[in-house]
Amino acid sequence: GAVVSQHPSRVICKSGTSVKIECRSLDFQATTMFWYRQFPKKSLMLMATSNEGSKATYEQGVEKDKFLINHASLTLSTLTVTSAHPEDSSFYICSAEREGLGDEQYFGPGTRLTVT
Amino acid sequence: TQLLEQSPQFLSIQEGENLTVYCNSSSVFSSLQWYRQEPGEGPVLLVTVVTGGEVKKLKRLTFQFGDARKDSSLHITAAQPGDTGLYLCAGKETSGSRLTFGEGTQLTVNP
Repeated sequence: GAVVSQHPSRVICKSGTSVKIECRSLDFQATTMFWYRQFPKKSLMLMATSNEGSKATYEQGVEKDKFLINHASLTLSTLTVTSAHPEDSSFYICSAEREGLGDEQYFGPGTRLTVT
Repeated sequence: TQLLEQSPQFLSIQEGENLTVYCNSSSVFSSLQWYRQEPGEGPVLLVTVVTGGEVKKLKRLTFQFGDARKDSSLHITAAQPGDTGLYLCAGKETSGSRLTFGEGTQLTVNP
């Protein structure tokens, strides 16, 4: 199988604080990981592509200084939401690409962030 | 940016009925993946289709990739309440690793 974990699954933080979310590929190495945001009853919105050993590539409209991404190893990428505000409350999901036929992406279980 | 139109957006049917979900694009994809997502969880990969015209079956689910690799369909026969969920198609761009997601189909199968 291809298992991706995320931690924490839920987090509540106060406005102005920073929150770090971890994404790990448990049984395969992932040069490329992705971070998505999902609003209720909507599809996934790609925020950034995380590349091991290099800078992340952000989608248009996503503030790189607010959503810090670090991909320090082939099994771990982190997303840090800095100076969080209530509008950052959302469901954040990561995925890891397993190289091979189709280069499939496997998703983590998601992190529910609530900023009060 | 490649776009992927998914339809229908919402579907509510009775147990035992058949249904088809469509994903269409004017762009060519190197592969297309179908996912199913339940509330509060991440999407779970159902299948990947790579070759134009490819048909894959997964129990009561049949996936088809268009000959030109621009469209795909998911057909479910004899739907069951356990099939309820958000179905997402996602096309992989011909260059790079990014996935373009459809808007999703929220399927509800009533007992």
